[in-house]
Amino acid sequence: DTGVSQNPRHKITKRGQNVTFRCDPISEHNRLYWYRQTLGQGPEFLTYFQNEAQLEKSRLLSDRFSAERPKGSFSTLEIQRTEQGDSAMYLCASSRYDRGEKLFFGSGTQLSVL
Amino acid sequence: QQQVKQSPQSLIVQKGGISIINCAYENTAFDYFPWYQQFPGKGPALLIAIRPDVSEKKEGRFTISFNKSAKQFSLHIMDSQPGDSATYFCAASKENRDDKIIFGKGTRLHILP
Repeated sequence: DTGVSQNPRHKITKRGQNVTFRCDPISEHNRLYWYRQTLGQGPEFLTYFQNEAQLEKSRLLSDRFSAERPKGSFSTLEIQRTEQGDSAMYLCASSRYDRGEKLFFGSGTQLSVL
Repeated sequence: QQQVKQSPQSLIVQKGGISIINCAYENTAFDYFPWYQQFPGKGPALLIAIRPDVSEKKEGRFTISFNKSAKQFSLHIMDSQPGDSATYFCAASKENRDDKIIFGKGTRLHILP
């Protein structure tokens, strides 16, 4: 197992465009989380899934953001009509909740909105 | 509202010295307090964690000290090494699992060779 994988690593887009990120969690991890990290700040919780169910969404997740986890495996995070304020590192993490295991983070997708 | 306050923002320590990073929290419902280490271009990685039923936890050169009455906890890195240079985040969680973690703003630690 190679850990949590995120693609792409970097994304540059123009304001108003839509972008989609993908996260592949550690196999058999039933919880998957999305966090956002801006420069000089700690990661901020966005949303999380248990299997395919989205259990909680932060107020940070505006209606331009949507996350899915079909079949409880990989997850996608889509941002529609991107704004310059969306520029950040988007981090994915996974865990095996019923074993009380720690969160394992991916290396993130760095989004730059021009 | 910042639920986990971390200080200092940056810290420079001589090789072999002790690095100390402090955190304070507000919500008494928090029951899990991890520290994460992040290197440039990487995601955070769990370093060490403590629950409020103990006052200290040590793993190798890393120690967490916890003061429940003061709602404060700190990370001590003994015999600091240049490889410890990274950003450190304290965090807290309300549930008895390490999920929905709330992070502090981070401390950039630089160890001088």
